[in-house]
Amino acid sequence: KNQVEQSPQSLIILEGKNCTLQCNYTVSPFSNLRWYKQDTGRGPVSLTIMTFSENTKSNGRYTATLDADTKQSSLHITASQLSDSASYICVVRYLETAEYGNKLVFGAGTILRVKS
Amino acid sequence: ETGVTQSPTHLIKTRGQQVTLRCSSQSGHNTVSWYQQALGQGPQFIFQYYREEENGRGNFPPRFSGLQFPNYSSELNVNALELDDSALYLCASSKHWDEQFFGPGTRLTVL
Repeated sequence: KNQVEQSPQSLIILEGKNCTLQCNYTVSPFSNLRWYKQDTGRGPVSLTIMTFSENTKSNGRYTATLDADTKQSSLHITASQLSDSASYICVVRYLETAEYGNKLVFGAGTILRVKS
Repeated sequence: ETGVTQSPTHLIKTRGQQVTLRCSSQSGHNTVSWYQQALGQGPQFIFQYYREEENGRGNFPPRFSGLQFPNYSSELNVNALELDDSALYLCASSKHWDEQFFGPGTRLTVL
């Protein structure tokens, strides 16, 4: 079982609508959680990063939340645009130790398609 | 743009062949990590190089090997290619254990 689970697997929404993507993780010890946007065939680009003590972080129309107690995060996209069509990947980093270094654990991603 | 570059962009090989992928790290970074991303999946960690030495390895067979050069650029070599090796190969550079920045990837197709 993957240590980072994302849902839904895929999502289709109309342009202008909002949506929320979910991420549950079991990675421990935990350092931070990032949401990445990945266009097809390209490298991931970081949207937000949240540490243990942060509950909410916004980046334009993207708002991420983190509940470190329940090990859950969400990414909310407001007023979606056609260019938001991409895969959104939740990535959790282990706490920096000699054992884990800066090891990252990736979710499988949620594929978002925004239709006009 | 992250400043991490990869070459080539796309590559087509046949089963049994060997391939070398290249990654130039961002200025000031001394660590390169390589990932394999199959279609519809999240990236899987292959290995990491720090100061020219392998510094951690994922669950990949020995036919996946790498190098890091004194300028901290890196190569990923895959021998005896199999159909399942078809994937997007991503490299990420960092300053040791700091944040990793990803390159655009190399799309490898094995026929």
